[in-house]
Amino acid sequence: DAMVIQNPRYQVTQFGKPVTLSCSQTLNHNVMYWYQQKSSQAPKLLFHYYDKDFNNEADTPDNFQSRRPNTSFCFLDIRSPGLGDTAMYLCATEKFKGMNTEAFFGQGTRLTVV
Amino acid sequence: SQQGEEDPQALSIQEGENATMNCSYKTSINNLQWYRQNSGRGLVHLILIRSNEREKHSGRLRVTLDTSKKSSSLLITASRAADTASYFCATDAGGGSYIPTFGRGTSLIVHP
Repeated sequence: DAMVIQNPRYQVTQFGKPVTLSCSQTLNHNVMYWYQQKSSQAPKLLFHYYDKDFNNEADTPDNFQSRRPNTSFCFLDIRSPGLGDTAMYLCATEKFKGMNTEAFFGQGTRLTVV
Repeated sequence: SQQGEEDPQALSIQEGENATMNCSYKTSINNLQWYRQNSGRGLVHLILIRSNEREKHSGRLRVTLDTSKKSSSLLITASRAADTASYFCATDAGGGSYIPTFGRGTSLIVHP
């Protein structure tokens, strides 16, 4: 059974039209990550939550925001998507208690901005 | 930011052969992880090796870590067509850091 679920799997949105990607987990992990992965590139961290503490990477664009209303759910909001935001968006969770353990990834949302 | 760099970028082998991928990183780390990604999918965790470990095995996978050279290798023995995927290493930045930062990956193709 899938433990980290991302919805939708595929999303096409128009330039400038807000879009929300969702991630849910059944693992009760305290850490959640959002990564952006463009074609043939490394996954790039956008944000992460350590419990309720939100951490924004310095080079994450301002039109990217995130919400974590509870342990199980996390959202990525793109307020005004540009063509350059076309990418795979990956959500991951981890149970972190002083040492890294494995991160569990969802299947990703492939976002296309037209 | 800390980032591993995988080498080679692409690797093409025949089924049954061994595949070796390398990862180099820049600063001290707490641990190093290897992940696999099938085309258009999420990443799947393979192995985590801590900075005080030198070698770990999991099935047909063998990972080594040389902290003096700041490098790691992933060996897949007796490869199968189903091993075709991209393989990424992920490192933290040492100290109190725990954030996995990924390299660009090695694209492995195993021909049947």
